[in-house]
Amino acid sequence: AQTVTQSQPEMSVQEAETVTLSCTYDTSENNYYLFWYKQPPSRQMILVIRQEAYKQQNATENRFSVNFQKAAKSFSLKISDSQLGDTAMYFCAFTTSGGGADGLTFGKGTHLIIQP
Amino acid sequence: NAGVTQTPKFQVLKTGQSMTLQCAQDMNHNSMYWYRQDPGMGLRLIYYSASEGTTDKGEVPNGYNVSRLNKREFSLRLESAAPSQTSVYFCASSAQRVTGELFFGEGSRLTVL
Repeated sequence: AQTVTQSQPEMSVQEAETVTLSCTYDTSENNYYLFWYKQPPSRQMILVIRQEAYKQQNATENRFSVNFQKAAKSFSLKISDSQLGDTAMYFCAFTTSGGGADGLTFGKGTHLIIQP
Repeated sequence: NAGVTQTPKFQVLKTGQSMTLQCAQDMNHNSMYWYRQDPGMGLRLIYYSASEGTTDKGEVPNGYNVSRLNKREFSLRLESAAPSQTSVYFCASSAQRVTGELFFGEGSRLTVL
């Protein structure tokens, strides 16, 4: 069974700082997809960034970037110039099937607090 | 474009009562999912439907049933609610074999007394 581990239950940083959220996963598959989702207090699940395992280049979306280390099975999320609106739960997720036909496996989440 | 719509948003039940959570998507996605979210547990898959006419158990299916009514709609039924089913439930859909991304509804908070 695939597992996703987020070792930081909660993190707190000052506004404008850079913060890195950790995620490790376990799989014997070679092709898979990794995701970071954000869940603000509104409860809505929002996709932040996606990485295909066959792509060596790390994905980037504006202030959000990942450090994908396939050999180490590590997929960390870096948020640069953090903003108050980044306060949320962040979930790392994983699927081996193209298109996620059998769903995503989620980590337990990291509660990120951006302090003014 | 509504995306994924689930109803009701909130519900309080007594132990033993039954209820159905409704979910509909308007993105022509093949696959649909029901997750539950509990504090400190992340999101856990209850049931999924990879395509119209098929359903499969996820990680935590006990106490639940599902129906894929058509391509748009996927319902979750609690036949005899228990306090352990107090949770936030999310419906999601995906465009199979395209991106892997799930699109989520806004969630339904269910309390079983």
